[in-house]
Amino acid sequence: SAVISQKPSRDICQRGTSLTIQCQVDSQVTMMFWYRQQPGQSLTLIATANQGSEATYESGFVIDKFPISRPNLTFSTLTVSNMSPEDSSIYLCSVEGRRTGELFFGEGSRLTVL
Amino acid sequence: KNQVEQSPQSLIILEGKNCTLQCNYTVSPFSNLRWYKQDTGRGPVSLTIMTFSENTKSNGRYTATLDADTKQSSLHITASQLSDSASYICVVRGGYNFNKFYFGSGTKLNVKP
Repeated sequence: SAVISQKPSRDICQRGTSLTIQCQVDSQVTMMFWYRQQPGQSLTLIATANQGSEATYESGFVIDKFPISRPNLTFSTLTVSNMSPEDSSIYLCSVEGRRTGELFFGEGSRLTVL
Repeated sequence: KNQVEQSPQSLIILEGKNCTLQCNYTVSPFSNLRWYKQDTGRGPVSLTIMTFSENTKSNGRYTATLDADTKQSSLHITASQLSDSASYICVVRGGYNFNKFYFGSGTKLNVKP
């Protein structure tokens, strides 16, 4: 299994500002993902964070809005830029277990934009 | 189009009762299917995994079934407890390169005393 620490766990932000969410894993992992979960909905993949190269974004998500860093195999950050109330959501970091292929999730970062 | 659909969207049951949640998928090719439990304010946690050759798998009071021919799965919860109140998400792995995860919209279960 993998233990994932995310911070902040929650934040309230002003419109137009940016927030960086950190994700730390207790072991080296190849695949690391960032998901968004809007209120009452399931998870939507934002991007795959690639170590040493640019993240791979899903349709509807762009690097300018959601820049991602992945400096090593245990850490990644997601920035939500120029926030609007529509960005209010839970953002989840996830990794794929090397042995089982299972997805492990962090506790999520609940973001509220006023 | 690769999709995962869950039903019902929400469910209220009394403590001690059984319930069954459904998951239908069109993901192809198929690798595996997992049921996750997500407590309010927490990240999802895997309950069970079903591969192509498996029909039934149990994890305590949770029993998952898979019919790969009809592309249907169910999660049966026996003798429900208040702590079972959560969202249950069906996740299918597959698609091109068997490398993509497809998420259902979840079933929100509320167990009442």
